[in-house]
Parts: sequence; structure tokens; C-alpha cells
Amino acid sequence: QQQVKQSPQSLIVQKGGISIINCAYENTAFDYFPWYQQFPGKGPALLIAIRPDVSEKKEGRFTISFNKSAKQFSLHIMDSQPGDSATYFCAASSEDSNYQLIWGAGTKLIIKP
Amino acid sequence: DSGVTQTPKHLITATGQRVTLRCSPRSGDLSVYWYQQSLDQGLQFLIQYYNGEERAKGNILERFSAQQFPDLHSELNLSSLELGDSALYFCASSVGGVSYNEQFFGPGTRLTVL
Repeated sequence: QQQVKQSPQSLIVQKGGISIINCAYENTAFDYFPWYQQFPGKGPALLIAIRPDVSEKKEGRFTISFNKSAKQFSLHIMDSQPGDSATYFCAASSEDSNYQLIWGAGTKLIIKP
Repeated sequence: DSGVTQTPKHLITATGQRVTLRCSPRSGDLSVYWYQQSLDQGLQFLIQYYNGEERAKGNILERFSAQQFPDLHSELNLSSLELGDSALYFCASSVGGVSYNEQFFGPGTRLTVL
């Protein structure tokens, strides 16, 4: 019940296209959903995060869409650029996970020029 | 630069040996987290400390141990090393372990066990 399932495992998108990564969870107590971006050889860094009181959050070309009833959330990258090529991790946390981030397995995104 | 420092950057050792990885959190952060990331794999949470005390344990092997010192830096000790322990080990820090805090990751220590 503590799992976060992320898909796809890998994704190739043309430059200028929309990249979409999906995550699903079971624990309805989760109330914080961040996305982290990791470049090769580097540590992950927070990209964008959402709380369940809103259905969407946008920061520049990055948008989180959140569907509480379906227990799903997704990351959309508009006008994808080669510099967006990285591994993306979704995560979730709640008080009953002691605010531990429960991580998805990651999506390796490649943007083709 | 996240403000989290990890040493050493690379470590090459042999099976059966013991190593210590060190992490200094961002100034003001009380929580330290340790993660293991094998090649092209996800992040495996190992353990969390908050202000010197163990707060949560993940998939940490009995051969591994950690501690957080009064100055808040943390060390991860890996003993009786096996080939499968070869991985990137990340330390992350956050302000506290009781609210929704961003975790700031260090650059990692790449451990190679030969």
C-alpha cells in the first residue's frame, strides 16, 4: 500500500514535443507529491511538487496534474528540450509514512533533437 | 550546488572490506537521509536521522550502519562488502523530519567493490 508505481520506465520524445510521465499510488493518506529530476552522475533535485488540494500546478514548462479520485498524478513537460533529458522520479509522503518520501522507480527521458 | 557535501567522491575497495562514507548537511538542516542507487536503478532509501537520532529505517542491510553526530554530519558505514554493494550512495538533508520538506541531495559517493 506504500508503493508508488511510475510509468513508463523510459521515454523518447522529439524536441518540442510533450513528455508525460505517470504515477499511481494506493495510500489515500499521501498528501505531498514531489517530482525530482536527476542528471547522470548527479544527485536528484526537486523539480516541482503538489499538494492534493489543487488539481494542477504549473512552473514554466513543467506541470503536475493530480487526480485524487483516481489516485494518480503526472508530470507534463511542454516544448521538451534536449536539456530536459534526465531521469525523473515521482514520490509521495504523508504523516503515516513519517513523512518519508516513497519513491517511484524512475523514468529515463531522452529528448531527441 | 545543493549545499550538501559528501566525501569521498569515489571509493574503490575489495570484497570483505569496510568503508565509511561521510555527509555534511546544508547549514540549518537537521535531517539526514541515506540512499543507495545501483546502476540505472531507482533510489533505495536506507535510513534517516533527525537531530542525532534515528528517525526511520528503510532497506538497510545489517552489514550497514549509520550515525549522525552532534555537529549534524553523518557517516554511513558499510562492512563485509560484497560485489553487489557497488552503487552510488547519496546523502540528502532537509530542514526537519516532521513536515513536508524538500530534500537536498549531495553529489554522491560512487562505491566500487572489486
